[in-house]
Parts: sequence; C-alpha cells; structure tokens
Amino acid sequence: GDSVTQMEGPVTLSEEAFLTINCTYTATGYPSLFWYVQYPGEGLQLLLKATKADDKGSNKGFEATYRKETTSFHLEKGSVQVSDSAVYFCALTPRGAGSYQLTFGKGTKLSVIP
Amino acid sequence: GAGVSQTPSNKVTEKGKYVELRCDPISGHTALYWYRQSLGQGPEFLIYFQGTGAADDSGLPNDRFFAVRPEGSVSTLKIQRTERGDSAVYLCASSDLAGSDTQYFGPGTRLTVL
Repeated sequence: GDSVTQMEGPVTLSEEAFLTINCTYTATGYPSLFWYVQYPGEGLQLLLKATKADDKGSNKGFEATYRKETTSFHLEKGSVQVSDSAVYFCALTPRGAGSYQLTFGKGTKLSVIP
Repeated sequence: GAGVSQTPSNKVTEKGKYVELRCDPISGHTALYWYRQSLGQGPEFLIYFQGTGAADDSGLPNDRFFAVRPEGSVSTLKIQRTERGDSAVYLCASSDLAGSDTQYFGPGTRLTVL
C-alpha cells in the first residue's frame, strides 16, 4: 500500500536558519503530495501541495518540489522564525478514482529558538 | 466562513462504554473523512463519505467502530465497548471533490478511555 516516510525529529534550529525536512513516498501511479502543519494547540492546516511531477508548492516562505524520479517532496524554508515552531506532516492522496484518503508520515516536530 | 467543527473537544469515558463523536463539515462540502491520530503519530484514515454513503470504510479497525452521515452533512462516529487502545485524537476533514482534493481539518476530539 501507499506510504510516506519523513525524517524523524525533533529538529531544533536557531532563528533565521535554513530548514529542510525530508519526505519520500511509495505509491502506485502519480499521487498528489501535501505538507500539513500542526501548530501547538491547533488543528491540522494545509501548508502547501503539488499535484504533478516537477510542480513546486509554496506558502509562507516554505517550498517543496514534487520529484517523481526520487519519489520525494522535501520541505524547505530559507529563514525560519520562532512562529514556525510546529509539527509538520508530509502526506499523499492517490490520483484518479478513489476516496482521496490521505496517507500521512509520522510528523516532524520543529522547534525554532531565538 | 465557518470551518470544520467537532464536538466534543474532549471526551473521557470508561472502558466498555459507548461514545459518539460529531463532525460538522464546511457547508457545501460533499466529501467527509474521519482520521485517528495516536500520540506521536500521523493521522490514520478511518472512513470516507461521499454524500450520505460510506464510499470507503477500509480504515475502520474493527466492528466496534461505525459512522453515519444520514443527510449528507453532519457525521457521527460511534464507538461501542470502548477499549483503552481507542484513546486518541479523532479528526474530521471535509473537501469539495468538485473543486480540489484538498481536505480541511477540524480541531479534533480527544478521546480518553480510562
């Protein structure tokens, strides 16, 4: 079945540091790929998505590029802020007919210190 | 506009009891999903509704779990004979399949089985 593997945390960075959270996936066909974020005490929010190979999703300074050849969707941000401290989840949904159920990775907790 | 809402936000029950968890999706969204998130893990799919019918219930762990959506809007997740292992955050999401495959999540119900 489909699966998502993301780097284990926790990750601790200083403010303005560069962030990479690795995500690779296993799926049949060409899934849609997502990054969701869960801020402390809040629900899951969609951060960005990409629906086909070489697409780049971006939002709030975060970016991720759909790499079909390496089955990856790594999350990057050039300069993190304390307010970026949260848990980040990589996820996919299958393409085509079906339920569009999301398959999530285990999450990576990011802490940004001033 | 209003997002996905879930009630109650917290539910504490005793082993063996019956519980109901409610989800109110975004108005007009035809697709509704239930997920379960255990501590330190990503959400896991339980069931998907398209309109009133359960289009995919492959994620329900056993027959103690059941969900309904009688009028194609509000959904109720029902758990019979609760066990301590059912303790988790239960998340609901909705989407407008006609528009996109993006799912919008509610804040979740934290279920604790003593």
